[in-house]
Amino acid sequence: DAGITQSPRYKITETGRQVTLMCHQTWSHSYMFWYRQDLGHGLRLIYYSAAADITDKGEVPDGYVVSRSKTENFPLTLESATRSQTSVYFCASSESTFVRVTEAFFGQGTRLTVV
Amino acid sequence: AQSVTQLDSQVPVFEEAPVELRCNYSSSVSVYLFWYVQYPNQGLQLLLKYLSGSTLVKSINGFEAEFNKSQTSFHLRKPSVHISDTAEYFCAVGGDDKIIFGKGTRLHILP
Repeated sequence: DAGITQSPRYKITETGRQVTLMCHQTWSHSYMFWYRQDLGHGLRLIYYSAAADITDKGEVPDGYVVSRSKTENFPLTLESATRSQTSVYFCASSESTFVRVTEAFFGQGTRLTVV
Repeated sequence: AQSVTQLDSQVPVFEEAPVELRCNYSSSVSVYLFWYVQYPNQGLQLLLKYLSGSTLVKSINGFEAEFNKSQTSFHLRKPSVHISDTAEYFCAVGGDDKIIFGKGTRLHILP
């Protein structure tokens, strides 16, 4: 199906474990983003990518790692999960005009609980 | 650097009354501006966007927003709200290579 899909939708993990959240888009959008949503903080940008093999830190990158070997995939890894990383994670993709990024299209989110 | 300020975390309003959700932004470059809506337990959907041209943009379900460059604002308005508008609304600014969101405003529709 066309669009942007995240997996898993729900995940419970233990403190200290590594966990990877997957994101796949079928539009061939050049830009991809990872956000986390927490009550009172809105959506905060974790990492973003302008193209395959190009990634950059957002507002809250500590404790996360990303890679983008293919345009359509943008996995997010929590190297050693902490309780403060309990959140809802959203992946998004976007195209750009000549000068700036246009609207983002969002996946359905992954609800991660770290116990 | 870009930033977005949504001045109200919650806005209660009676059904069929008008509403305004406020958004101010800052950026060192010219930007695109967006409003997204998140219904309970769902993802985010684009409500409307300003890219260029007319400063007043409208959605298909009666919302509108006006880009005001001098006041660096992009407030969202609806002349008459319905119970189905209950949701969280996010203002966002798109710059060179990323999109930054505000903290969101929860719209509560009172019967």
